[in-house]
Amino acid sequence: KQEVTQIPAALSVPEGENLVLNCSFTDSAIYNLQWFRQDPGKGLTSLLLIQSSQREQTSGRLNASLDKSSGRSTLYIAASQPGDSATYLCAVRGRGYQLIWGAGTKLIIKP
Amino acid sequence: DVKVTQSSRYLVKRTGEKVFLECVQDMDHENMFWYRQDPGLGLRLIYFSYDVKMKEKGDIPEGYSVSREKKERFSLILESASTNQTSMYLCASSRTSGNNEQFFGPGTRLTVL
Repeated sequence: KQEVTQIPAALSVPEGENLVLNCSFTDSAIYNLQWFRQDPGKGLTSLLLIQSSQREQTSGRLNASLDKSSGRSTLYIAASQPGDSATYLCAVRGRGYQLIWGAGTKLIIKP
Repeated sequence: DVKVTQSSRYLVKRTGEKVFLECVQDMDHENMFWYRQDPGLGLRLIYFSYDVKMKEKGDIPEGYSVSREKKERFSLILESASTNQTSMYLCASSRTSGNNEQFFGPGTRLTVL
């Protein structure tokens, strides 16, 4: 059964730092992996989706990588800003259309 | 832009009431999903639908039912609301083809008293 883990559960860094969020999964047979952002009390915003055949995707200051063989994905945020403060979730899609979710990393960027 | 809307941002109901949560997407997506999100438990899938009038149980369907009469609309029904159904409810949609990226609505915070 697929399990998705995100470590750390919370992270606090000063503004301007580059940072990496981690996501690991137990079954490498995935179709894709998606990173989301959630602000308090709000819905989820899709940030990046990486297909199983891809190694990375980039959008602005965000870069997501995927290593299927080791069951790992990272989300790299460059030059962090206070507006990046949110909870970041990763989710993997297996054979069906359902997503298997990590518990999220709560990120705080200190001005 | 893909847009997923939910009928209410906040809802307060009483125990035993029948509750309807509505979700509408405007991108002609085949798949639609209902999740609930609780602190410490993360997102859990309640039901999903991959076509009109089709539905599949997710991980926690007990106490819920769904309806999909039109492609753009997916309704979640709490037949008899209970206090343990107090939660944030999130709707999402995705295509069957392509990359299947899921897009979410703003959520409905339901409180059952």
